[in-house]
Amino acid sequence: DAGVIQSPRHEVTEMGQEVTLRCKPISGHDYLFWYRQTMMRGLELLIYFNNNVPIDDSGMPEDRFSAKMPNASFSTLKIQPSEPRDSAVYFCASSFLAGMRPYEQYFGPGTRLTVT
Amino acid sequence: DAKTTQPNSMESNEEEPVHLPCNHSTISGTDYIHWYRQLPSQGPEYVIHGLTSNVNNRMASLAIAEDRKSSTLILHRATLRDAAVYYCILRDGIGGGSNYKLTFGKGTLLTVNP
Repeated sequence: DAGVIQSPRHEVTEMGQEVTLRCKPISGHDYLFWYRQTMMRGLELLIYFNNNVPIDDSGMPEDRFSAKMPNASFSTLKIQPSEPRDSAVYFCASSFLAGMRPYEQYFGPGTRLTVT
Repeated sequence: DAKTTQPNSMESNEEEPVHLPCNHSTISGTDYIHWYRQLPSQGPEYVIHGLTSNVNNRMASLAIAEDRKSSTLILHRATLRDAAVYYCILRDGIGGGSNYKLTFGKGTLLTVNP
């Protein structure tokens, strides 16, 4: 298995531009998570989906951020308009429910976003 | 969420065992103890998890105190590749709802000396 795939790996954009980050979870996984990591705030959960449905978006910083999961093999995180404070590494992770016990999450390599 | 406390950093020598401590005095009866690690410039990866009994896998061992208020991640022979930030995380074992969230703290930065 290729693991969780994220694209692009690096993104540099100017303030005010729209940014779209993409994630392909591991096949068969039914949970998908978006995290953001900065030096100041560490690793934060932004939103997660179960069977393509958003379950908890309480970590989404503001309305400029939106996430979708149109099918089981694809999710996007969009920032519009982007701001310099959005600069961070964004990770996507997936996991699966088995035996009604939490199981491990598998993280992608991350997208390093720089907003100038 | 129940909180965990870890040392900011630890140092080890290659080929020696490493014991990474984690305190979680407010742990509830249904909380699982998870350990993840994050190697430089990579996403976090799962290491091990347990509930009450000690656990072993190919990566590490997890020793859980009898009162469950602390745990220790044991790397039996540290290698240079084990240099990473290690996160101790509590997650509720009751299925559904918000219980699949991972709340990462600052973790322990492990340095392995050659």
